[in-house]
Amino acid sequence: GQQLNQSPQSMFIQEGEDVSMNCTSSSIFNTWLWYKQDPGEGPVLLIALYKAGELTSNGRLTAQFGITRKDSFLNISASIPSDVGIYFCAGHRDYAGNMLTFGGGTRLMVKP
Amino acid sequence: SAVISQKPSRDICQRGTSLTIQCQVDSQVTMMFWYRQQPGQSLTLIATANQGSEATYESGFVIDKFPISRPNLTFSTLTVSNMSPEDSSIYLCSVGSRTGTYGYTFGSGTRLTVV
Repeated sequence: GQQLNQSPQSMFIQEGEDVSMNCTSSSIFNTWLWYKQDPGEGPVLLIALYKAGELTSNGRLTAQFGITRKDSFLNISASIPSDVGIYFCAGHRDYAGNMLTFGGGTRLMVKP
Repeated sequence: SAVISQKPSRDICQRGTSLTIQCQVDSQVTMMFWYRQQPGQSLTLIATANQGSEATYESGFVIDKFPISRPNLTFSTLTVSNMSPEDSSIYLCSVGSRTGTYGYTFGSGTRLTVV
C-alpha cells in the first residue's frame, strides 16, 4: 500500500543534540501521528495531530501538522540515550475507519 | 485508550505449518486491524477485521494465506498458513472505532520466525 515519505531514514545522535525528522505525502491526511518503536515491542504513540497547522508538544517532543495537510515534522530536543529507536509517522483519513498509512521510519542511533 | 494483549509474543515455526495469533482488547471495539512488519521495514496493513462480517484484505494479502476470525467485539485471531521463511515478521494488531476513540493503539506484536 501507499507509504508516506519519511526522512531521514537513519541518523546518529549525540546526547544533548536536537533531532528533526519529517514526513510528506502526495495526498491529504486528516490526522498525523508519530510513534516510537523499541526492539521487540509494538509502536507506541508519542503525539497525535488533528488540525492543520497544529503544533503539539509532549515533553521534549514537538510535532506539527502541516498547513497543506500533506506533511508533518517531529523534533526532539536535548536528546538522551533512551531516545534511540525507530520513529514512524502515520497518517489517517477519517473515512478509512482508523486504518493508518505509515512512513518508512527513522532509525535513531547513538554516535560512537 | 484500549489495552491490547497479543499472544504468543514470539514463536519459531517449521515451514509448511500454520500459526494462529490472538489479539484480546480490554474493551469493545468496532474494528481491529492486522499489520505485518517485515525485518527492518515499516508496517503494512494485512486486513481489517469487523465483527459480524468477513475481513477486508489489502492488495497482496489473501484469505487462504491469512485467515482471520472476529467472533466478538473484543477478540480476533490471525492465522499465518503454510508458512515459509518469507513469512518471518512481526505481526501486530491494532484497534479502532468509527468515533476514533480507540484508534491508534497497537499490541506489542508477535515475532514470528519460520525455519
